[in-house]
Amino acid sequence: QKEVEQDPGPLSVPEGAIVSLNCTYSNSAFQYFMWYRQYSRKGPELLMYTYSSGNKEDGRFTAQVDKSSKYISLFIRDSQPSDSATYLCAMGKDSNYQLIWGAGTKLIIKP
Amino acid sequence: EAGVAQSPRYKIIEKRQSVAFWCNPISGHATLYWYQQILGQGPKLLIQFQNNGVVDDSQLPKDRFSAERLKGVDSTLKIQPAKLEDSAVYLCASSLASQGGNYGYTFGSGTRLTVV
Repeated sequence: QKEVEQDPGPLSVPEGAIVSLNCTYSNSAFQYFMWYRQYSRKGPELLMYTYSSGNKEDGRFTAQVDKSSKYISLFIRDSQPSDSATYLCAMGKDSNYQLIWGAGTKLIIKP
Repeated sequence: EAGVAQSPRYKIIEKRQSVAFWCNPISGHATLYWYQQILGQGPKLLIQFQNNGVVDDSQLPKDRFSAERLKGVDSTLKIQPAKLEDSAVYLCASSLASQGGNYGYTFGSGTRLTVV
């Protein structure tokens, strides 16, 4: 079993829909949770960052962490075609520099 | 702030040939990472540098891959000899802290390697 599981998709939704992207993990030592967005032929860029549990909101994006269920989510409101990309979750421990990555979910927003 | 620079953007080589990739991190970022990303997968850490010292190279195939970071700034990743399974995007990233989990990473656009 992988430490971080993420559905590769693709996930296709109409423009304006609310998108929900998720990752599950098995290691309870993870404290840092991140979402990266990767456009085709580009490197990943940090989108959202959360430490420990709770929610974080930034514009149309909301990140949620549920440590009891070992489950993290990224919500995108009022989705736009420009949101079409691969979304990668990544997580790390307090005492360790490494990030453990999900495989990424390919998101397609149809105009 | 200038981003992480990588070159070349694309490279096609035959198996058993050698290839080198170059990375210039964000100014002031002490920590530099090389990742391998195979199509449809998340990035896999190959090596991490803190300044010009190696922190972790446990997943680097040392029989064919080598990396160096001279003067704690630019870095070069080399493959010799290349195999077909080395076809991937090689990403360089840098971060302020040794614990990338504190701040996240900034990635370059990567070098897409095709081995034929």
